[in-house]
Amino acid sequence: AQKITQTQPGMFVQEKEAVTLDCTYDTSDPSYGLFWYKQPSSGEMIFLIYQGSYDQQNATEGRYSLNFQKARKSANLVISASQLGDSAMYFCGGGSNYKLTFGKGTLLTVNP
Amino acid sequence: SAVISQKPSRDICQRGTSLTIQCQVDSQVTMMFWYRQQPGQSLTLIATANQGSEATYESGFVIDKFPISRPNLTFSTLTVSNMSPEDSSIYLCSARTGTANSPLHFGNGTRLTVT
Repeated sequence: AQKITQTQPGMFVQEKEAVTLDCTYDTSDPSYGLFWYKQPSSGEMIFLIYQGSYDQQNATEGRYSLNFQKARKSANLVISASQLGDSAMYFCGGGSNYKLTFGKGTLLTVNP
Repeated sequence: SAVISQKPSRDICQRGTSLTIQCQVDSQVTMMFWYRQQPGQSLTLIATANQGSEATYESGFVIDKFPISRPNLTFSTLTVSNMSPEDSSIYLCSARTGTANSPLHFGNGTRLTVT
């Protein structure tokens, strides 16, 4: 089973600046995936980015990038050029065969 | 990407009753899962919905309390049985297609309140 740790209950960032949300994982599985989701106050889970354990390069999706450091077992999400609409809960999830364990989440607030 | 529709989107139920939540995907998917998100908490996996066979439950969840059906590759139901106020949560269906690197997508969730 995978354990996911998000140590930042809340983060603040100024609009147009970059922010990094931390995520560490612990697993004994040789093959696994790491995901980031955004959950606005409306409650839906919006997929942002995925990193497979065997992927050689860090994943990027538009303003989102994943800083994957396998030796440190970290998969931090970097949001560049923050927008007011980025204010939401962010969950890191990981697991094998897509059975995901999620961290406790980070509440990101973007200030104008 | 797969579009996942859940209904009802929300409901208020009395303790002791049961509620069945439906999850419909607009394409055939290989894997479907049910998650629970208690108020102010993260998501916890309830079970994997297996097509044509019994669901696989995670530790702490049992079939008598959360019976799940998956009659085909696009549809699944989760029933919350004999509800108590502690069952008040958001219940989310998720699914993944079989294509390489396809992500796990979620439905909009069912917000359940038990009084």
